[in-house]
Amino acid sequence: QKEVEQNSGPLSVPEGAIASLNCTYSDRGSQSFFWYRQYSGKSPELIMFIYSNGDKEDGRFTAQLNKASQYVSLLIRDSQPSDSATYLCAASGTGGFKTIFGAGTRLFVKA
Amino acid sequence: KAGVTQTPRYLIKTRGQQVTLSCSPISGHRSVSWYQQTPGQGLQFLFEYFSETQRNKGNFPGRFSGRQFSNSRSEMNVSTLELGDSALYLCASSPMTSGSTDTQYFGPGTRLTVL
Repeated sequence: QKEVEQNSGPLSVPEGAIASLNCTYSDRGSQSFFWYRQYSGKSPELIMFIYSNGDKEDGRFTAQLNKASQYVSLLIRDSQPSDSATYLCAASGTGGFKTIFGAGTRLFVKA
Repeated sequence: KAGVTQTPRYLIKTRGQQVTLSCSPISGHRSVSWYQQTPGQGLQFLFEYFSETQRNKGNFPGRFSGRQFSNSRSEMNVSTLELGDSALYLCASSPMTSGSTDTQYFGPGTRLTVL
């Protein structure tokens, strides 16, 4: 069973701090990795995707990928109360045409 | 570009009935995937369609079926509804410009309640 594991949280950080969200995956054939944000009652919204080992930065968000450790993370700098949401990690690979989602980590940013 | 649209947004049915949900992908996107989301199970993959062909299917009973039309619009059908089918059903579209997996963009979802 191919899986994506995330700590369900909740993760609570003060406003302005760095929030660190982590994810591990079991399928070594996974090639593409995604982070989605989902507000309560809404559908998932794409934040970032990453394909290569290392860091990828987009504004306040940095995704990190370590394929050897099968580990993906998302850093949110200068966290804002509006960042409070559930963050979903997802992994997919060629040939399977299927994306596996983690259960999500709930993040609370305290003002 | 308009985003992924799903209809209806809310639906209430009773056990034993059947339901059809519709999804229109982003213009130019050829792949459509369906997911079921419940508080206890998270996002569960139902199936994926590309060029009217189902390429992959999740671990759901045969009561769940889908199809894709030549304009990439997709429908999913659930027959003989059970209480446990109450969930948010999400559709996601991908450009799928090559044969590999591609980034998915979600629609607003259809919230199905089975009484």
